[in-house]
Amino acid sequence: AQKITQTQPGMFVQEKEAVTLDCTYDTSDPSYGLFWYKQPSSGEMIFLIYQGSYDQQNATEGRYSLNFQKARKSANLVISASQLGDSAMYFCAMRPPQGKSTFGDGTTLTVKP
Amino acid sequence: DVKVTQSSRYLVKRTGEKVFLECVQDMDHENMFWYRQDPGLGLRLIYFSYDVKMKEKGDIPEGYSVSREKKERFSLILESASTNQTSMYLCASSLEGPNYGYTFGSGTRLTVV
Repeated sequence: AQKITQTQPGMFVQEKEAVTLDCTYDTSDPSYGLFWYKQPSSGEMIFLIYQGSYDQQNATEGRYSLNFQKARKSANLVISASQLGDSAMYFCAMRPPQGKSTFGDGTTLTVKP
Repeated sequence: DVKVTQSSRYLVKRTGEKVFLECVQDMDHENMFWYRQDPGLGLRLIYFSYDVKMKEKGDIPEGYSVSREKKERFSLILESASTNQTSMYLCASSLEGPNYGYTFGSGTRLTVV
């Protein structure tokens, strides 16, 4: 069975600083995908970034990067130069070769001006 | 722009009513999912469908049923709405495979009175 753990229920960051949101996972599948989603207060979940288990390099999408450490089974999201609009809940998820994704409980990020 | 559309953003229904939540995607995705989201409980999977006319129970199917007669449409049915079904309902769709993330609808906030 897959499991995703997000140990930080809430995080604060100063505007323009970088922040790391933690995510660890557990799976016995050799192939899997790791994802991060953002959920602003409006409620819609927005896909941010994807990392494949066989990818050698860390994924990046603009100000978002995924710090993938396979041996430690961690997939932390790094947001550089935080903006007020980054205040939201962030979910880490993992998808096995077949079937549905498993989601973490989420981390609420608050960006302070 | 690819989309998952949920028929209602806000809905208020009476206890005992039969409620239909509709979700339509225009991306030819095989997989579709219904989640409910409550404060402190994260995302909980109600039902999912791998393809047309296929459905599988998620973690909390009690009190719900689903219908997928066409590939693009996945309906969630509350047979007899109860106050404990007051929640945010999120629909998502995806292609099959570990490297495909979910595209979510904007959510339906259902209140049962």
